[in-house]
Amino acid sequence: GQQLNQSPQSMFIQEGEDVSMNCTSSSIFNTWLWYKQDPGEGPVLLIALYKAGELTSNGRLTAQFGITRKDSFLNISASIPSDVGIYFCAGRSNYQLIWGAGTKLIIKP
Amino acid sequence: GAGVSQTPSNKVTEKGKYVELRCDPISGHTALYWYRQSLGQGPEFLIYFQGTGAADDSGLPNDRFFAVRPEGSVSTLKIQRTERGDSAVYLCASSLTESGGEQFFGPGTRLTVL
Repeated sequence: GQQLNQSPQSMFIQEGEDVSMNCTSSSIFNTWLWYKQDPGEGPVLLIALYKAGELTSNGRLTAQFGITRKDSFLNISASIPSDVGIYFCAGRSNYQLIWGAGTKLIIKP
Repeated sequence: GAGVSQTPSNKVTEKGKYVELRCDPISGHTALYWYRQSLGQGPEFLIYFQGTGAADDSGLPNDRFFAVRPEGSVSTLKIQRTERGDSAVYLCASSLTESGGEQFFGPGTRLTVL
């Protein structure tokens, strides 16, 4: 099925570093969402973006809805060990969510 | 509970068998969704319920897959004549309405077909 282009596929970073990941699409979406998934769990919503150009923060997380409505990025500042996991972007058109393949975040000890 | 719950958490079955996967949505959520997630991929849409009716089942891969939500709350995903390729994590999500409120996910059922 259709998927968004999410990059990078994985990231190895040191604790305390900032992280950036992004998603692009050939289609326009009305809503962009960022989820985090831990092993054995379902995705948990981190940030929802509803307006082109919107910049939204949730603690150390910041996400932006691209002005073209075809892309979004997520930044994590000052990473900590509990940030490890897989981050997914999703574009919503009405009720349907179209997902990226995920960015796996690994923090080097 | 406060969140979406799914049972069983793990299901191992043999090729050709029938399985049922259950989802209890958040109380009061009228919209319910089933997704399938393969290793290393994002979830893929299967079916969406608004109330008791399946509003969109276009994601079901074939007629071996069927889902019901008879009372507009709990939903069951049914898979007949399971195949090895059906092995995946099956996720359920619910939202307040189809257009209001985001989707909240359960922990998933990991299905393994031997």
